[in-house]
Amino acid sequence: AQSVTQPDIHITVSEGASLELRCNYSYGATPYLFWYVQSPGQGLQLLLKYFSGDTLVQGIKGFEAEFKRSQSSFNLRKPSVHWSDAAEYFCAIGTDKLIFGTGTRLQVFP
Amino acid sequence: KAGVTQTPRYLIKTRGQQVTLSCSPISGHRSVSWYQQTPGQGLQFLFEYFSETQRNKGNFPGRFSGRQFSNSRSEMNVSTLELGDSALYLCASSAETLTDTQYFGPGTRLTVL
Repeated sequence: AQSVTQPDIHITVSEGASLELRCNYSYGATPYLFWYVQSPGQGLQLLLKYFSGDTLVQGIKGFEAEFKRSQSSFNLRKPSVHWSDAAEYFCAIGTDKLIFGTGTRLQVFP
Repeated sequence: KAGVTQTPRYLIKTRGQQVTLSCSPISGHRSVSWYQQTPGQGLQFLFEYFSETQRNKGNFPGRFSGRQFSNSRSEMNVSTLELGDSALYLCASSAETLTDTQYFGPGTRLTVL
């Protein structure tokens, strides 16, 4: 079965600290992979996506993600978190539809 | 370029009623997808329309239906509302395929009493 797992429900970091959000997927082949961010009261915004090629993907707002086929993972990283990054982050795989993980809520302390 | 718009933004209905939600995609986009977001089930795919035809469908009961018009605007309808249908309904549009960049609207918050 196709599924996405985000093991961390809630993460708290200090502003300026580095960040890594974990994402693992289950799929028979290499799916299309996405990270979205959702701020309160807003829809989802695409941060980055991976289809093929270079396994390190750069996105908007200083985010990057690395695809590791051997680990079925697509973790999101940011070297220095800003207070405005506080939001909920969703990893998703795309086959004939988008399948989302349950999300990770990021809280940023000043 | 205007983004994806959804109307209404908030809706309160009672059990047994039906509801219609509307989505206007980004100009030029032909694919419109609908998602349900709840605290318990997260984000779940409802269906996708492309060129007025349903192209993909998620695992929701037949009470959930949709359609797409020739201008790519889409509506979804939920009949015989249940308390569990309370959710944020998100619409997303993309140029052609589901895996093109999907742009999401702000959602319609449906509350069923």
